[in-house]
Amino acid sequence: DIQMTQSPSSLSASVGDRVTITCRASQSISSYLNWYQQKPGKAPKLLIYAASSLQSGVPSRFSGSGSGTDFTLTISSLQPEDFATYYCQQSYSTPPVTFGQGTRLEIK
Amino acid sequence: QVQLQESGPGLVKPSQTLSLTCTVSGGSISSGGYYWSWIRQHPGKGLEWIGYIYYSGSTYYNPSLKSRVTISVDTSKNQFSLKLSSVTAADTAVYYCARKVVPAALGNWYFDLWGRGTLVTVSS
Repeated sequence: DIQMTQSPSSLSASVGDRVTITCRASQSISSYLNWYQQKPGKAPKLLIYAASSLQSGVPSRFSGSGSGTDFTLTISSLQPEDFATYYCQQSYSTPPVTFGQGTRLEIK
Repeated sequence: QVQLQESGPGLVKPSQTLSLTCTVSGGSISSGGYYWSWIRQHPGKGLEWIGYIYYSGSTYYNPSLKSRVTISVDTSKNQFSLKLSSVTAADTAVYYCARKVVPAALGNWYFDLWGRGTLVTVSS
């Protein structure tokens, strides 16, 4: 199974900050990496697919990069509605589908 | 637009079978290019993939749950279902149904649509 490890596990930031979340795969997954945002009590929402493609309707302040084993999700200027938990997910080798453990983004 | 909605008992006794249904509205479950999925989230924890099914009936399960999981599809009702047998307290979680989309021109795939989730508690 491919293990996905996110860092940090939690992060405090302020509105307007630039934030980067990292996801590392236990083996190369090319660009088969997706990012999701989950707010409390809600279902996850797709933000980025194929490492760097922005899902329709997602604000352009979200961006993704990376390939192989190391990936990043960047929020260029944090907005109040961006405080949530973010998950990465690999689609390279399945089953099983595996997710990172999540990064909780909190207001400083 | 296509929507997913989970339904089923919110309380299941230990050793019994958890049964949930996901109803697809606004589109056909028989549309090609989609796999219909179950994912769960233990309280305060991360996401765990359970399995998915194609409209033809082909299934793919998480090896860690495979011995207890059955996912089925009813195209006439535009629904797919999850059965998880021999449940314990460790199966208490929010269960989501989700749509896996496999774009024809892209090797990558992703979950683009999710239900709101339903909390299932295993307790006597």
